[in-house]
Amino acid sequence: AQKITQTQPGMFVQEKEAVTLDCTYDTSDPSYGLFWYKQPSSGEMIFLIYQGSYDQQNATEGRYSLNFQKARKSANLVISASQLGDSAMYFCAMRDAYSGAGSYQLTFGKGTKLSVIP
Amino acid sequence: EPEVTQTPSHQVTQMGQEVILRCVPISNHLYFYWYRQILGQKVEFLVSFYNNEISEKSEIFDDQFSVERPDGSNFTLKIRSTKLEDSAMYFCASRRGAGTETRNTEAFFGQGTRLTVV
Repeated sequence: AQKITQTQPGMFVQEKEAVTLDCTYDTSDPSYGLFWYKQPSSGEMIFLIYQGSYDQQNATEGRYSLNFQKARKSANLVISASQLGDSAMYFCAMRDAYSGAGSYQLTFGKGTKLSVIP
Repeated sequence: EPEVTQTPSHQVTQMGQEVILRCVPISNHLYFYWYRQILGQKVEFLVSFYNNEISEKSEIFDDQFSVERPDGSNFTLKIRSTKLEDSAMYFCASRRGAGTETRNTEAFFGQGTRLTVV
C-alpha cells in the first residue's frame, strides 16, 4: 500500500527566504511518480513539480525544486526566495505504477500550510 | 493556456437530492479523474475514466456515484442521493496520455466544485 507522509502541518518562512517542505513516501512499486501541488485559499489545485522514480536529476521548475532522495524515500519541496503569494497549502502526492490503461491513482499527503511572513 | 473547467463553483443541495457536477477537461486529454477533499482533510481519489469507461475506482465511489462523458467534451460526476458526508470540494482532473516516466503523467486539476449538503 502506498503512503505519503507530510510531517509539518504548518510552516512559517520570512519573505525572500528559502523553505523546505518535507515529504516521505512508502511504496513497493519500482516505478512511481511524485508530485507537489499548491492549494491557495481559493481552493484550486495547482501543479508545481514532478519527479519520476527513474529520473537521475532532481526536478526544478523556476523557484521550485524537488530534493529527491530515493534511498530515504523522501521528496522534499524547496521553494527559494519565498513570496507572499506562496502562502498556501502544499500537498505531496504519489502515483501508482502503471498498471493498465488509465490507471493513475494519486495518493495525497495531508498537506503543509505554508505562511510567508513579510 | 488550456485548463480544466468545472461548474458550478459552489453548489448547495438538500440531503437526498441528486447532484451533477460538471467538468470540461483539456481538449486533447484522454484520461479523466474525480477527486474529493473534505474540508480540512487530504485529497482523496474517487474514480478514473478512460476510453468511455471507468478504469479504476476507490471504496468511496459506491453505487451512489456515477460518471459519464456524454458528448465528448463534458465529464460529469453524479451523486444520486446526497448525504451530509458528501459535503466536500470535488476536483476534476485530466491527463494527456499514458506512460510512466514522462511529462504525460502530469494531471491538471480544475478549480473544484464546493458541494454543501444541508
